[in-house]
Amino acid sequence: GQNIDQPTEMTATEGAIVQINCTYQTSGFNGLFWYQQHAGEAPTFLSYNVLDGLEEKGRFSSFFSRSKGYSYLLLKELQMKDSASYLCAVRPGQSNYQLIWGAGTKLIIKP
Amino acid sequence: DGGITQSPKYLFRKEGQNVTLSCEQNLNHDAMYWYRQDPGQGLRLIYYSQIVNDFQKGDIAEGYSVSREKKESFPLTVTSAQKNPTAFYLCASSAPGQGGTEAFFGQGTRLTVV
Repeated sequence: GQNIDQPTEMTATEGAIVQINCTYQTSGFNGLFWYQQHAGEAPTFLSYNVLDGLEEKGRFSSFFSRSKGYSYLLLKELQMKDSASYLCAVRPGQSNYQLIWGAGTKLIIKP
Repeated sequence: DGGITQSPKYLFRKEGQNVTLSCEQNLNHDAMYWYRQDPGQGLRLIYYSQIVNDFQKGDIAEGYSVSREKKESFPLTVTSAQKNPTAFYLCASSAPGQGGTEAFFGQGTRLTVV
């Protein structure tokens, strides 16, 4: 079967750094996405990885290793507004229109 | 501003009734999608459409129906055949192409069966 694993919930302190991991087992691979979703709102795109390595975008970075079936999202200088769920999704390659989604990691930021 | 709009934000349905959720986009995207989100689970694909007048079943299409008569619009009907319709429904759209073509989501409709 196809599966994406993420921690259910994480807690971190304002101003600190947190790493959210995602591992996947899919029939194929054609890209990995990270989205942020505040409670009751739409997911918004954060990053896309298809090649091994680190992609940096301001306070957020995403790392990917295809051989390990692994990615992480790194959030630096945490702010209270970063409290949200972070969704990992993989395009398995069978169709450009199909994504396999993880259940999401709820990140709680404490002052 | 370009975006994707879902309505209503909250919807209550009596058992045995059909309801239709609206999704409109002005991003000129060919592809549109409907997802269902339940607590503790990843998004699950209900239906998707790659082009006007064409749509495909996703992983959990039973009890749902869609139409794609216009590029901008992709309404979802939750029928009485859907056994457990209470959920958060998300509509999304994306431009065609491969690679990192991300999806843009609407604000969601929370459907509750009463």
